[in-house]
Amino acid sequence: EVQLVDSGGALVQAGGSLRLSCAASGFTFSSYWMSWVRQAPGKGLEWVANIKEDGSDKYYVDSVKGRFTISRDNAKNSLYLQMNSLRAEDTAVYYCARDNGFQTYEYWGQGTLVTVSS
Amino acid sequence: QSALTQPASVSGSPGQSITISCTGTSSDVGGYNYVSWYQQHPGKAPKLMIYEVSNRPSGVSNRFSGSKSGNTASLTISGLQAEDEADYYCSSHTSSTTLEIFGGGTKLTVL
Repeated sequence: EVQLVDSGGALVQAGGSLRLSCAASGFTFSSYWMSWVRQAPGKGLEWVANIKEDGSDKYYVDSVKGRFTISRDNAKNSLYLQMNSLRAEDTAVYYCARDNGFQTYEYWGQGTLVTVSS
Repeated sequence: QSALTQPASVSGSPGQSITISCTGTSSDVGGYNYVSWYQQHPGKAPKLMIYEVSNRPSGVSNRFSGSKSGNTASLTISGLQAEDEADYYCSSHTSSTTLEIFGGGTKLTVL
């Protein structure tokens, strides 16, 4: 059974940093692109970043470029999102998702809440 | 880049059919057959309902169908059931530096 477990969310002050993790199981992690998608309270979904199977290519939404870094450890079947210089507008539930191809997300984590206080 | 345009809400009675539209541009919906639809119940993670415009993942009811014409994609739910009441989001691959774009979401109410 495919499972994605998100963790690392917390309350943090504006300007602070946080590292999110996503533990994957039930599939060959190293064979899939992976993404982070976020959802601000009461708002819609927003794609944040994705990373190629071997970690060699990474893409970000413009609003997080230079502040967030996506990475992965295929030996540990884990995906990460390092978030620096956090802003109030980064407050959201962050989901990791497995990309089946062209951002088709069949499997999602349960989400982890990041709250940035100003 | 602006989100894809969806109606804020739609409603229907049990047994009826409804359609949710998702309008983009030639740089996203109109330019690629990579439109997906997601269902989200309150407090839950999204669930993939349709991918590549009209394909259903294994386990998704055939009451859900997708289509596309020009820059507008559509999700149709036939034989509405109470459990279909949820938020629905479309998404599309895009040629912009933001590789994927979501719609603003549509709240479906089953009367």
